[in-house]
Amino acid sequence: DAGITQSPRHKVTETGTPVTLRCHQTENHRYMYWYRQDPGHGLRLIHYSYGVKDTDKGEVSDGYSVSRSKTEDFLLTLESATSSQTSVYFCATRGTSYEQYFGPGTRLTVT
Amino acid sequence: DQQVKQNSPSLSVQEGRISILNCDYTNSMFDYFLWYKKYPAEGPTFLISISSIKDKNEDGRFTVFLNKSAKHLSLHIVPSQPGDSAVYFCASGGEQGAQKLVFGQGTRLTINP
Repeated sequence: DAGITQSPRHKVTETGTPVTLRCHQTENHRYMYWYRQDPGHGLRLIHYSYGVKDTDKGEVSDGYSVSRSKTEDFLLTLESATSSQTSVYFCATRGTSYEQYFGPGTRLTVT
Repeated sequence: DQQVKQNSPSLSVQEGRISILNCDYTNSMFDYFLWYKKYPAEGPTFLISISSIKDKNEDGRFTVFLNKSAKHLSLHIVPSQPGDSAVYFCASGGEQGAQKLVFGQGTRLTINP
């Protein structure tokens, strides 16, 4: 498994505050992804990166931004958190094959 | 529109019997299919995959079948064990070289002793 860590693992924040989630990998994988998991929806792609400073939107990108300044780090920012962004967020990486490898997740609660 | 669908939210199987999880997709351009397993409070872990040039791939107790004409894939687990109790996601990708996967909603499998 790719060495993937996510921080923080749990966060409670108030509506309207900015939040940044961090994903760190040690496998030098080119591709990195942010997903959210919600009941009945499975895993939905928020944003992904195909290289340093190269990112693109997924299917549920509204309200989120990302940055990748180094191969190993991929940041997800909620500029102004809303209750609808309460979810579990997973980071994933991918090397040369199609398989993606997931981090342990961040549980975010927006009150 | 949901390109990948798992129509059974849950499945209950007796230990030692076969578990069959199903997945349907709509995009005929998908050329790679994967299954992931997820335990509570953990990230999904890759289980098994199959490319569109095959119709079966086997790895120990796990076998994935692909029916391209029906746009359907299934995961067979035999014999089922208590540790197999988890949520299973199917995923599809490879459309024109795209780097993204599309996931189904997941099926919660419970193995009863």
